Formats: sequence, C-alpha cells, structure tokens
Amino acid sequence: GESVGLHLPTLSVQEGDNSIINCAYSNSASDYFIWYKQESGKGPQFIIDIRSNMDKRQGQRVTVLLNKTVKHLSLQIAATQPGDSAVYFCAENSGGSNYKLTFGKGTLLTVNP
Amino acid sequence: EAQVTQNPRYLITVTGKKLTVTCSQNMNHEYMSWYRQDPGLGLRQIYYSMNVEVTDKGDVPEGYKVSRKEKRNFPLILESPSPNQTSLYFCASSLFGSSDYGYTFGSGTRLTVV
Repeated sequence: GESVGLHLPTLSVQEGDNSIINCAYSNSASDYFIWYKQESGKGPQFIIDIRSNMDKRQGQRVTVLLNKTVKHLSLQIAATQPGDSAVYFCAENSGGSNYKLTFGKGTLLTVNP
Repeated sequence: EAQVTQNPRYLITVTGKKLTVTCSQNMNHEYMSWYRQDPGLGLRQIYYSMNVEVTDKGDVPEGYKVSRKEKRNFPLILESPSPNQTSLYFCASSLFGSSDYGYTFGSGTRLTVV
C-alpha cells in the first residue's frame, strides 16, 4: 500500500548550477546551527556549521548564511554535482543542559545531469 | 576510523518480543543520543545520555529504554515492541563540553514490527 508521503520540500537543479536550500528555525535562543546531508540508506553527515555570532561561513563549495533577525538559515552549494543529490537538514542547538539538536524536516535536492 | 556503529541494520520482529539495538562509538564522546526518523516527522529524539550512568528522556521516550554502563555503548531497548515503533533509528554521539556540538551519526537501523 502507499505509505504516508514525505511531504518534503524538493529542489531540482541542473548539474553545474548553484543550489540554495532554506530553513526557518524556531528558537531565537539557539546559538549553534548545523547543516546535514543524508543520502539514501545512510545516516546524516555533517556538512557545515555556524555560530550565532556569525552571519556567514564558507566551506568547500558550500556556504551557510544566518539571518537571526528573521530566524532563517540557508545553505548554498556551488556548482552542484549529481553526488550532491540527497536530503538536507538544518539543525539548531538551543542550549540548555541537554545539548539537543532539533532538526528541520529536510529538503530533497535532486541534481539532473 | 572514527565512527558510530549500530547493529543490526535491518530487523523485522513481532509485537511484544523484546529487542535491543546496539550502539557503540570509538571517539571517546561523552554525549550519546537516539533518534527515530519517520516520513513527514523528521528526526525526533528518544533518549540521550550525557555521561556514564546519566540518561534522560528526549521528546518521544514512550516504549523505549536505554542504559549507559560504559562510555562507548548506548543500547536502545524495546521491551514490548508495537507496530507504531516501526521506524528508522539513528544513534548519534558528540564530544561534550567542547565548542563542537555536532553529532556523528550511525548508519541507522530499520525496524519493522508486525
């Protein structure tokens, strides 16, 4: 039978294009944010992180932007490749004694060759 | 290789039959946690542990138990599994007390309860 749909936001891009994946976070007290990539059949993998005292951080082909005013996080992937196809999650750490990461629902990125 | 190892990867069981999913990390991390991942609901925390013999409930602890007798191991126990515990489970660990709170995840355990 048909399973309950994922209802994931999806983004489809052409190979070589730049991708932008957006995330709205919930807690204005959150001080640490991470982007994870999850490929089919695997656990989430760390991509890049950013602290709340920064508004931009760059890695290899990836950039994270943080806008605390509107509680918005984005992940930019330059020159997207087929291997970038995956579900991308943002996660926030809201501090406290748990050090728990709260995850967004994810965005499915599909890269067309 | 630094990693979090979960076993088994796949498990099909019947309602009410106790099971344990093992989790082990070799990074000397103090913090360990279990998440379940369900379509449309994302990753939700079940239990966490901040050190040996210190465990606490996450957001969805009902029907689960954990133990932390050693730093490296954090098994997830389902005393009487039910079909609504059919899910994809992830164990994660983190170096506690440092500036890096990012998790390292295991490869996941897909559990089906019939």
